[in-house]
Amino acid sequence: AQSVTQPDIHITVSEGASLELRCNYSYGATPYLFWYVQSPGQGLQLLLKYFSGDTLVQGIKGFEAEFKRSQSSFNLRKPSVHWSDAAEYFCAYTSSASKIIFGSGTRLSIRP
Amino acid sequence: DGGITQSPKYLFRKEGQNVTLSCEQNLNHDAMYWYRQDPGQGLRLIYYSQIVNDFQKGDIAEGYSVSREKKESFPLTVTSAQKNPTAFYLCASSYRDRDYEQYFGPGTRLTVT
Repeated sequence: AQSVTQPDIHITVSEGASLELRCNYSYGATPYLFWYVQSPGQGLQLLLKYFSGDTLVQGIKGFEAEFKRSQSSFNLRKPSVHWSDAAEYFCAYTSSASKIIFGSGTRLSIRP
Repeated sequence: DGGITQSPKYLFRKEGQNVTLSCEQNLNHDAMYWYRQDPGQGLRLIYYSQIVNDFQKGDIAEGYSVSREKKESFPLTVTSAQKNPTAFYLCASSYRDRDYEQYFGPGTRLTVT
């Protein structure tokens, strides 16, 4: 079965430090990959998406992600985090119509 | 401004009662979706609809029902048959030919006691 794995349930980083959130997906043809962010009690906001082409994609709020087919990974990165980045982050994957598979999420806390 | 609205934001019900969650969008999207979110489990698809008067079950449809009488609206009813209804419910929408790019509403937190 197709799946998305986010191995880190909770990560804490210091403000100004770099960030990398991990995401692995089970193989599927032509994957479409996404990262969403969710603030407490809110809906999901799309940070970035990968459909094809350049494997390094830029998103909003200074985030980027790199697609590595050989590793089935789509890790999210940010060079310097801000306190406002504290939220839950979801990786998602689809290769078929109308069904997006979400990872279980990684909660990010920021240390002052 | 275009977007998706869900109401109410918080909802409380007694066990055994049916409850309907509202979802409206003015993005002119064809497709709409309902997800359930539980802590540590990500989002799970309940129902989706690609066109008016048609909808399909998702992964966890048991105990839920939907209708799609208008393009803009996709209400979800949580019935008394749903064993664990307390959760955060998210509605989303997309263009039918871009169903991989979904936009989400702010969610409704349902508590059943």
